[in-house]
Amino acid sequence: SQTIHQWPATLVQPVGSPLSLECTVEGTSNPNLYWYRQAAGRGLQLLFYSVGIGQISSEVPQNLSASRPQDRQFILSSKKLLLSDSGFYLCAWSAPGPVPPLHFGNGTRLTVT
Amino acid sequence: DQQVKQNSPSLSVQEGRISILNCDYTNSMFDYFLWYKKYPAEGPTFLISISSIKDKNEDGRFTVFLNKSAKHLSLHIVPSQPGDSAVYFCAASITGFQKLVFGTGTRLLVSP
Repeated sequence: SQTIHQWPATLVQPVGSPLSLECTVEGTSNPNLYWYRQAAGRGLQLLFYSVGIGQISSEVPQNLSASRPQDRQFILSSKKLLLSDSGFYLCAWSAPGPVPPLHFGNGTRLTVT
Repeated sequence: DQQVKQNSPSLSVQEGRISILNCDYTNSMFDYFLWYKKYPAEGPTFLISISSIKDKNEDGRFTVFLNKSAKHLSLHIVPSQPGDSAVYFCAASITGFQKLVFGTGTRLLVSP
């Protein structure tokens, strides 16, 4: 069966520090991969998605970036965190296809202080 | 702009009664809709979906209704159980576009 791993579960970082969140998927090949963010009191906002290695689509202009160095690995990064980057970050995968359901990891709670 | 809206931030229901969660969308290109359930500190889990060629889809206690002319969908949970207490998100997509647009969520509380 397919599983998705996302770490760390919680992270407290000072303003201006770098960020690296990692997500890996097991049990499937060539998944679509996604990074979402849930800010306090808001819905799930799509940040990035990828349909293949090295293919990244950005949905929201910001100081975050994403990379997909391997088929089942998706990384969210920032060179310098802002206070507004605080939130709950969720990685998700879906099987290739028209509109399959997304399957989410357990998320990373990021607090920028 | 918020293309998918859940105007009720919270809903309280007694155990055994029906829970009705509502969702409105503005983009007429959306043709596939999903509901997700989320517990605190966990990722959302997929519940049920519906294609725009249908107006109803059932899965056990969960039924989703779609009214395309009103750009409105709803999730019915019958009977509601305390374990259903969670935040429910509706999501919409356009077939062929590899992404979902989510609403802001409705927190459901089912009391014994």
